[in-house]
Amino acid sequence: EAGVTQSPTHLIKTRGQQATLRCSPISGHTSVYWYQQALGLGLQFLLWYDEGEERNRGNFPPRFSGRQFPNYSSELNVNALELEDSALYLCASTTGTLKGGRLASEQFFGPGTRLTVL
Amino acid sequence: GENVEQHPSTLSVQEGDSAVIKCTYSDSASNYFPWYKQELGKRPQLIIDIRSNVGEKKDQRIAVTLNKTAKHFSLHITETQPEDSAVYFCAASPNNNNDMRFGAGTRLTVKP
Repeated sequence: EAGVTQSPTHLIKTRGQQATLRCSPISGHTSVYWYQQALGLGLQFLLWYDEGEERNRGNFPPRFSGRQFPNYSSELNVNALELEDSALYLCASTTGTLKGGRLASEQFFGPGTRLTVL
Repeated sequence: GENVEQHPSTLSVQEGDSAVIKCTYSDSASNYFPWYKQELGKRPQLIIDIRSNVGEKKDQRIAVTLNKTAKHFSLHITETQPEDSAVYFCAASPNNNNDMRFGAGTRLTVKP
């Protein structure tokens, strides 16, 4: 079974540009999460999508946005890039828990996209 | 929303010693507490998890304890080995959804 995949692996942009990062969850998973991991720091929660809808977002400005497609893949968009947006962006997926009493469960992470803003 | 605090931020032990990492959480609705290990340059991976209906869970050299009254849980690694060196993250979420929050991480170094 294929794991969570992310593209691109590396992305280099300049200040003010826009970046688009993509994530494909494990087959059968309907929930996708995005995290920002700056060098040497923790996992900062960005966005959570489930069944095509945004369920929650972290403490990030509106220029961080995204969406989830009908096939449950997801896209993270970062507009008006700033130097401090340079980080590893991790995507994770899990089975949706909003239906039928499923319990919270393990999040499976992708390999990440390293975004560098010059 | 949930707030998870993790201590210490760095931990250095000698090979063979034990390591303990502690986390506290704020939301009494949290019922699921996983621990992830992230080796250098790799993605975080689940190493052990616990739900609120048990107080302790073991898997070989790794154990997790949970005190729901005090809202804290801990990771215990015994007989540490150099390959245990990594960043460890705790997390917490309610059972009825997967709105998980992570601690800031602990960088564990095991010296040979």
